[in-house]
Amino acid sequence: GDSVTQMEGPVTLSEEAFLTINCTYTATGYPSLFWYVQYPGEGLQLLLKATKADDKGSNKGFEATYRKETTSFHLEKGSVQVSDSAVYFCALSHSGSARQLTFGSGTQLTVLP
Amino acid sequence: DAGVIQSPRHEVTEMGQEVTLRCKPISGHNSLFWYRQTMMRGLELLIYFNNNVPIDDSGMPEDRFSAKMPNASFSTLKIQPSEPRDSAVYFCASALSGSLSGELFFGEGSRLTVL
Repeated sequence: GDSVTQMEGPVTLSEEAFLTINCTYTATGYPSLFWYVQYPGEGLQLLLKATKADDKGSNKGFEATYRKETTSFHLEKGSVQVSDSAVYFCALSHSGSARQLTFGSGTQLTVLP
Repeated sequence: DAGVIQSPRHEVTEMGQEVTLRCKPISGHNSLFWYRQTMMRGLELLIYFNNNVPIDDSGMPEDRFSAKMPNASFSTLKIQPSEPRDSAVYFCASALSGSLSGELFFGEGSRLTVL
């Protein structure tokens, strides 16, 4: 079955540091890939997505590129802010009428001023 | 537009009591999902509905858990009787099935504590 593996957390960075959160997946076919973010006390919200190989998703300074050859979708940001402190979830889904997401375990990011 | 609305936001109850969590999905969305989040197990899909019909309830832990969706704008997740190990944050999410975006819209969650 489908699965998503994320790097273990927690990750602690200083403000303006470079961020990478690794994500690899196992799936048949050509899934769509997502990053969701969960701020403290809130539900998950979509951060960015990519639907086919070599696509780059981007939002709020975050980027991730769909790499089919390495089955990866690593999240990056060049300069993190304190407000980026959250839990980040990598996920995949296959197109279809009853869409389900397979989530990774989540990576806690804390950014210190 | 209103997002996914869940109630209650917080619930503290004693073991053995019945708990009912409620969810109002985004208007027009026809898929609804119930998730449970704990530190130990992360985010788990409990059940999802499409057009008010339960499609997959394989994630429901046991018979103590039940979920209903009587209409397109309302769903409940019931635990009877509740146990301390049910303590978690329960999220409802909705989506438009068939949408190529694949985006789920989550509520803010219901934090359940069973003493």
